[in-house]
Amino acid sequence: SQTIHQWPATLVQPVGSPLSLECTVEGTSNPNLYWYRQAAGRGLQLLFYSVGIGQISSEVPQNLSASRPQDRQFILSSKKLLLSDSGFYLCAWSTGIRQETQYFGPGTRLLVL
Amino acid sequence: EDQVTQSPEALRLQEGESSSLNCSYTVSGLRGLFWYRQDPGKGPEFLFTLYSAGEEKEKERLKATLTKKESFLHITAPKPEDSATYLCAVQADSGYALNFGKGTSLLVTP
Repeated sequence: SQTIHQWPATLVQPVGSPLSLECTVEGTSNPNLYWYRQAAGRGLQLLFYSVGIGQISSEVPQNLSASRPQDRQFILSSKKLLLSDSGFYLCAWSTGIRQETQYFGPGTRLLVL
Repeated sequence: EDQVTQSPEALRLQEGESSSLNCSYTVSGLRGLFWYRQDPGKGPEFLFTLYSAGEEKEKERLKATLTKKESFLHITAPKPEDSATYLCAVQADSGYALNFGKGTSLLVTP
């Protein structure tokens, strides 16, 4: 069966510091991978998705970037965090077929102070 | 622009009191409509995918239905462990993103 991991679970960072969140998927090959952010009082918003190694698409302009160095690894980064980057970050995966369901990881709670 | 609106925002039920949650949507070419359950501090847990109007799916006390404009999540004889936020999302033919509503927070009391 497939499993998705995210770490860290919780992170408190000062404004202006760098960020690296990691997501890995087990039990599947060549998954589509996604980063979403869930802010208080708002729905989940897609930030980035990837259909293969080194292939990243950005859905919204922002202070963040994503990379996919390996087939089942997806990383969310920032060089300098802003207060507005606080939120709950969720990684998800899906198979590369039509009408695909996305399965979410446990999430990382980020607080920027 | 794709839009998803869920109602009510919050719902309190007595154990055994059946009800329905609503998800109204507008999308240019529906690829799928998805229901998730989210517990506090956790990632969304997949419940159902519906692809076309008229489709219905069931799982334990939950039943999801789909029309061309909305979806309902029916909860029959709920239990306290059904308490959670229920999220609805749509995916358009044109992209990969799931467009989520803000969710319905359900509380089932004994």
